[in-house]
Amino acid sequence: AQSVTQLDSHVSVSEGTPVLLRCNYSSSYSPSLFWYVQHPNKGLQLLLKYTSAATLVKGINGFEAEFKKSETSFHLTKPSAHMSDAAEYFCVVRIGSSNTGKLIFGQGTTLQVKP
Amino acid sequence: NAGVTQTPKFQVLKTGQSMTLQCAQDMNHEYMSWYRQDPGMGLRLIHYSVGAGITDQGEVPNGYNVSRSTTEDFPLRLLSAAPSQTSVYFCASSSPPYSGTAGELFFGEGSRLTVL
Repeated sequence: AQSVTQLDSHVSVSEGTPVLLRCNYSSSYSPSLFWYVQHPNKGLQLLLKYTSAATLVKGINGFEAEFKKSETSFHLTKPSAHMSDAAEYFCVVRIGSSNTGKLIFGQGTTLQVKP
Repeated sequence: NAGVTQTPKFQVLKTGQSMTLQCAQDMNHEYMSWYRQDPGMGLRLIHYSVGAGITDQGEVPNGYNVSRSTTEDFPLRLLSAAPSQTSVYFCASSSPPYSGTAGELFFGEGSRLTVL
């Protein structure tokens, strides 16, 4: 069965320091993986996606994620946090090879950025 | 660019009342879905549709009905609201992966429902 686990429910960093949000997945197929961001009282927005091309994926706002099949991980990183990065982040796996867009969401990681 | 539009943004119901959450998208997406978001549980799929006239159940369909008479609209109906349905509801749409977008979901801004 496909699933996704976000290893931290809450991460706190200082502005200007690196960000690491951790995500592990399990999938019977070669997965499609996504990171979404949700700012307060807003809908979710796609940050980046992995779809079996390059294993290092670059997204918007300076975020990137590396797909590591041997570790079944897809951790999200950013070299230098900005106050505007404070939000909730969701790691998402798309079920199998279906084209229905059916996704499984992790439980979310709240990123706090301190001045 | 309207994208995905949800109405209402806020609603308070009494137990047993019925209501419909509206969702419309203007991107000609075939796939539409409804999620509910509860603290510490991420988003859970309620119902989804892969095209007009086709709907299917997600993880948590009980207490909700949907229909898809047009490509643009995908309303979610609560037939008899219960306090357990207090949540934030998100509608999302997507084009198929073969279009190159790999099933990226486009979300509305959410509808906050409280059932007393």
